[in-house]
Amino acid sequence: DAKTTQPPSMDCAEGRAANLPCNHSTISGNEYVYWYRQIHSQGPQYIIHGLKNNETNEMASLIITEDRKSSTLILPHATLRDTAVYYCIVRVLDNFNKFYFGSGTKLNVKP
Amino acid sequence: NAGVTQTPKFRVLKTGQSMTLLCAQDMNHEYMYWYRQDPGMGLRLIHYSVGEGTTAKGEVPDGYNVSRLKKQNFLLGLESAAPSQTSVYFCASSYRTGRTEAFFGQGTRLTVV
Repeated sequence: DAKTTQPPSMDCAEGRAANLPCNHSTISGNEYVYWYRQIHSQGPQYIIHGLKNNETNEMASLIITEDRKSSTLILPHATLRDTAVYYCIVRVLDNFNKFYFGSGTKLNVKP
Repeated sequence: NAGVTQTPKFRVLKTGQSMTLLCAQDMNHEYMYWYRQDPGMGLRLIHYSVGEGTTAKGEVPDGYNVSRLKKQNFLLGLESAAPSQTSVYFCASSYRTGRTEAFFGQGTRLTVV
């Protein structure tokens, strides 16, 4: 599975959009981009995933660049409850759904 | 619908003691996983199972054994606990096809003294 690079931490004002970047320059054509978050040492929570098209669900939007070498997770209106560590993971679908976590980005949402 | 349930939530062991962590899922998932998370780090895969009666090694399998006798349960065993196994342990499960995201339990905080 491809490696990912994320900033260790980011700040965001409450109510503003949080844009979390992820670099995956060695991604292969059959690898998907997944995002999880972990709130205060709870179990990780799935947010969204995509292959090459932009995706949106009730939690967030995922923007993947045309060359697929990077992506951005967007939380449109961040709240204090969105303070968490966000993990960007790339993987193929046929590896028994194993996920390999990096260090992630600690998002601090401030009032 | 409880999802993924881990037992116990907290445990303190003395070096050399043994214990078993239980993971139960009620979503009829084929795949199950055990991860550990050390302070300030991401999760690392210990072992996983792709079906009843099958197990496989992940990134950090040494010192652990697993069993999946029933589809809904995945057990993680420590035969002789060491301080280096102090960690938070997470279980997860997922479908084989269709929805491919993994669902995680709330974790077991294990301290080995």
